[in-house]
Amino acid sequence: SQTIHQWPATLVQPVGSPLSLECTVEGTSNPNLYWYRQAAGRGLQLLFYSVGIGQISSEVPQNLSASRPQDRQFILSSKKLLLSDSGFYLCAWSPTGRAAGNTIYFGEGSWLTVV
Amino acid sequence: AQSVTQLGSHVSVSEGALVLLRCNYSSSVPPYLFWYVQYPNQGLQLLLKYTTGATLVKGINGFEAEFKKSETSFHLTKPSAHMSDAAEYFCAVTYGGGSNYKLTFGKGTLLTVNP
Repeated sequence: SQTIHQWPATLVQPVGSPLSLECTVEGTSNPNLYWYRQAAGRGLQLLFYSVGIGQISSEVPQNLSASRPQDRQFILSSKKLLLSDSGFYLCAWSPTGRAAGNTIYFGEGSWLTVV
Repeated sequence: AQSVTQLGSHVSVSEGALVLLRCNYSSSVPPYLFWYVQYPNQGLQLLLKYTTGATLVKGINGFEAEFKKSETSFHLTKPSAHMSDAAEYFCAVTYGGGSNYKLTFGKGTLLTVNP
């Protein structure tokens, strides 16, 4: 079966410090990968998605970047964190193929507090 | 463009009462619709989804939803609420076609179950 792992689970970082959140998927090949951010009262916002190694699409301009160095690894980064980057970050994956009814599966999330 | 509106950011019911969480969508093409549940400090878990076929969809934990094209709705129901149903619920929409796709989420409805 497929599993998704995301870490760290919680992170407290000072303003201006770098960020690295990592996500890996097991049990599947060539998944679509996603980073979402969840801020209080705002629902889920798609930040990045990737359909293959090195292929990253950004949904919103921001202080963050994403990379996919391996097929099942997705990394969210920042060189200098802002207070507004605080939130709950969720990594997710979905099977590839033309069946758009495929489900998106979420990791357990990472709480980021920028102080 | 696709969008989702969840009516009511907070719904409160008594244990044993009917649960009704409302979701309306906007999509220019036939939609695929999802309901996810999120327990505190956790990722999202799929409750059910509609892609094609039967418009009444049954999911986990006794939940079901009915796709009504004429009303552009996909409301989530459960006949009898349990304390363990207390969580936040998200409706999401995407559309068919293509090997990659993105879900558009509503802002969520927080369900409280009173003893």
